[in-house]
Amino acid sequence: EAQVTQNPRYLITVTGKKLTVTCSQNMNHEYMSWYRQDPGLGLRQIYYSMNVEVTDKGDVPEGYKVSRKEKRNFPLILESPSPNQTSLYFCASSLSRASGANVLTFGAGSRLTVL
Amino acid sequence: AQSVSQHNHHVILSEAASLELGCNYSYGGTVNLFWYVQYPGQHLQLLLKYFSGDPLVKGIKGFEAEFIKSKFSFNLRKPSVQWSDTAEYFCAVKPTSGTYKYIFGTGTRLKVLA
Repeated sequence: EAQVTQNPRYLITVTGKKLTVTCSQNMNHEYMSWYRQDPGLGLRQIYYSMNVEVTDKGDVPEGYKVSRKEKRNFPLILESPSPNQTSLYFCASSLSRASGANVLTFGAGSRLTVL
Repeated sequence: AQSVSQHNHHVILSEAASLELGCNYSYGGTVNLFWYVQYPGQHLQLLLKYFSGDPLVKGIKGFEAEFIKSKFSFNLRKPSVQWSDTAEYFCAVKPTSGTYKYIFGTGTRLKVLA
């Protein structure tokens, strides 16, 4: 089944404890991205990747890192989480960024709480 | 700056009522347009999309949307809603050149009363 898989789905952590949220897709998609969803703010893009080793900042990249060493994986790294990073995170991918091939497939979401 | 506005943040309707959710975007170039839906406790799913051609597009579950280029709008409609349409709806815009970013609206929470 074509899908985007995120782990963990739920996580409670403490301020400053590094964590990684993994994202993997099995569709050979070029484009992958991370979003955070907060009440009243909708989805805001954190980082995106156009292909292996090519990443760029979205609208809210502060406090986050990403890497794209393999086409299928796009982990989100919080080096020193803070309470304002408590949010629902979604990973998404699309075949490419080109018109007609840029429909996003979303993962199930990762709910992160930073105490 | 590029942005997407969804004017209705919360909408409550009775079953069989008609639905129209507004979406306006600010971007002068060519765009691809999307509506995604998020049912309670689930991830976002594509409802419908517009790339080019006929500005009236039909999606799943009886939804449709009309792209009006002169108004920079892509409103979502459904003639008769069902209780199962209770969800949050997001409009999204993807410029076809100049940026790799998708821009999402803040979402509209729809509650349909049985």
